[in-house]
Amino acid sequence: EIVLTQSPGTLSLSPGERATLSCRASQRVSSYYLAWYQQKPGQAPRLLIYGASNRATGIPDRFSGSGSGTDFTLTISRLEPEDFAVFYCQHYATSPGYTFGRGTKLEIK
Amino acid sequence: QVQLQQWGAGLLKPSETLSLTCGIFNGSFSDYYWSWIRQPPGKGLEWIGAINYSGTTNHNPSLKSRITMSVDTSRNQFSLKLTSLTAADTAFYFCAREDNSGYPAFDVWGQGAMVTVSS
Repeated sequence: EIVLTQSPGTLSLSPGERATLSCRASQRVSSYYLAWYQQKPGQAPRLLIYGASNRATGIPDRFSGSGSGTDFTLTISRLEPEDFAVFYCQHYATSPGYTFGRGTKLEIK
Repeated sequence: QVQLQQWGAGLLKPSETLSLTCGIFNGSFSDYYWSWIRQPPGKGLEWIGAINYSGTTNHNPSLKSRITMSVDTSRNQFSLKLTSLTAADTAFYFCAREDNSGYPAFDVWGQGAMVTVSS
């Protein structure tokens, strides 16, 4: 089973700064099967990026995804106050299906 | 705009069976796979399983023996049953739609339902 390791566990930044979140897979994966979500307290997750680099419908262009092989990155170019949340990466394989990383909490510094 | 609305029992005892249902509003039922995902309080996400309009299912191997999923096409609903509950099953349970663009991801989510297992 592929394990996704997200880092850092917590990232403290100020509005206007750039955020870089990492997701590392325990073995090479296809970019096609890598997605990112944002979750705010008390809410369901929201799909941000699919296929490693494609923005989901309605997602602002300050969010971007990149990477290949085992290393993937979610970048928020210029943080807005509403961007602070927990972010999860997700992978799909035939077995065991969908798996998620443990998340990165992006908090206001 | 498609919406998912879910309901089901919130407080259960160990060894009991969890039963949740998710209704699909303003959208197609037949073109997608529909998943259940859970999240223990303060923790990460765990995929439980998925079902499509025809009743074809995929399961998380770690939960497969305790899961039953079904669809009610006449009501645009799908359901989850999880048996032999323990405290470890305490979590928020979400239903979600799998994007049918070919990229495996969840593009629409229900509001979530908290399930607590306690004696």
